[in-house]
Amino acid sequence: EAQVTQNPRYLITVTGKKLTVTCSQNMNHEYMSWYRQDPGLGLRQIYYSMNVEATDKGDVPEGYKVSRKEKRNFPLILESPSPNQTSLYFCASRLQPPSYNEQFFGPGTRLTVL
Amino acid sequence: AQKVTQAQTEISVVEKEDVTLDCVYETRDTTYYLFWYKQPPSGELVFLIRRNSFDEQNEISGRYSWNFQKSTSSFNFTITASQVVDSAVYFCALSEAWDNAGNMLTFGGGTRLMVKP
Repeated sequence: EAQVTQNPRYLITVTGKKLTVTCSQNMNHEYMSWYRQDPGLGLRQIYYSMNVEATDKGDVPEGYKVSRKEKRNFPLILESPSPNQTSLYFCASRLQPPSYNEQFFGPGTRLTVL
Repeated sequence: AQKVTQAQTEISVVEKEDVTLDCVYETRDTTYYLFWYKQPPSGELVFLIRRNSFDEQNEISGRYSWNFQKSTSSFNFTITASQVVDSAVYFCALSEAWDNAGNMLTFGGGTRLMVKP
């Protein structure tokens, strides 16, 4: 089954404790991205990757890191989480351009930073 | 820069009523793509439709229909004879064909639809 998976689905942590949210897709998509969803703001892009070893900042990259060492994986790293990073996070993938292509979203990771 | 506005933050209707969710967008590109996603209470994002800027034909899929009007930069979504299962948050989104951000998908703030029995 074609899908995007994220782990963990739920995470409660404390300020400053490094964490990684994993994302994996099995559709051989070049393009992957991370979004965060906050009430009233919709989804905002954090980082994206056009292909292996090619990552770039989205709209709200502060406090986050990513890496793309393999085509299928695109982990999101919070080196020192803070309460304002409490949010619902989505990983997505799609075939490379055109941007007409539908983005496939993972199930989401609900993160709470105390 | 691209922008999507969903002015209705919450809508409440009674089952079987028709309801229209508004979406207004801004873009400098002449080629762009519009999307609607549904987010049910379970939280996942479900793709509903995409439309490119050169195709202004309205689309109907069962009880769902979409009205795309370039003249008013709107891409509205209507649910006919709403059902309780339609209760969800609905997002409108825009992607420009050529940008410097990897063809980022820009979302509106979402409209929460509550359909009461």
